Amino acid sequence: EAGVAQSPRYKIIEKRQSVAFWCNPISGHATLYWYQQILGQGPKLLIQFQNNGVVDDSQLPKDRFSAERLKGVDSTLKIQPAKLEDSAVYLCASRPRQGATGELFFGEGSRLTVL
Amino acid sequence: GENVEQHPSTLSVQEGDSAVIKCTYSDSASNYFPWYKQELGKRPQLIIDIRSNVGEKKDQRIAVTLNKTAKHFSLHITETQPEDSAVYFCAAGGTTSGTYKYIFGTGTRLKVLA
Repeated sequence: EAGVAQSPRYKIIEKRQSVAFWCNPISGHATLYWYQQILGQGPKLLIQFQNNGVVDDSQLPKDRFSAERLKGVDSTLKIQPAKLEDSAVYLCASRPRQGATGELFFGEGSRLTVL
Repeated sequence: GENVEQHPSTLSVQEGDSAVIKCTYSDSASNYFPWYKQELGKRPQLIIDIRSNVGEKKDQRIAVTLNKTAKHFSLHITETQPEDSAVYFCAAGGTTSGTYKYIFGTGTRLKVLA
């Protein structure tokens, strides 16, 4: 079974530039999460999708971050304009469905460095 | 808001010794407690989990215990090996405002010294 795919793996940009990250979850997984992991910290939830609908974006800095999952499969996370403090690893994760307990499957992450 | 505290932040043990990592959660609605291992530059991977209706679970050298009353859960690794060196994260999962969420701890960097 293919895992959660993310790209790009690494991105270096200057502050005020924009960046986009892509995630393809495990086939059939209805629930998709984007987490931000700053160096030395645990993953922090940014946004959660159930199919193509947002179920939680309470911690997403909406003035600069946006995310979409138009067809309920792939998802993109965009940052515009980027700030120095956005330097982190952006992890995408998926689960079969909302509401049930069980394992989160993570991608390898996209490491962003903002200069 | 919901919170998971994890201790210690770093832990060094001699090969063959045991390691214990502890977490405390705040949300009484939490009912699922996974532990993830993250090696440098790699994705977090589930190593063991426990549900709220169970007090202890073991899988070879690793075990997890849960005290629901105290809202504590712990990871125990016995006979540690150098390949156990990694960052370990605990998490608490539960339904809040109709949404199932996972709240992660801040991580423990485990170093197993050969």
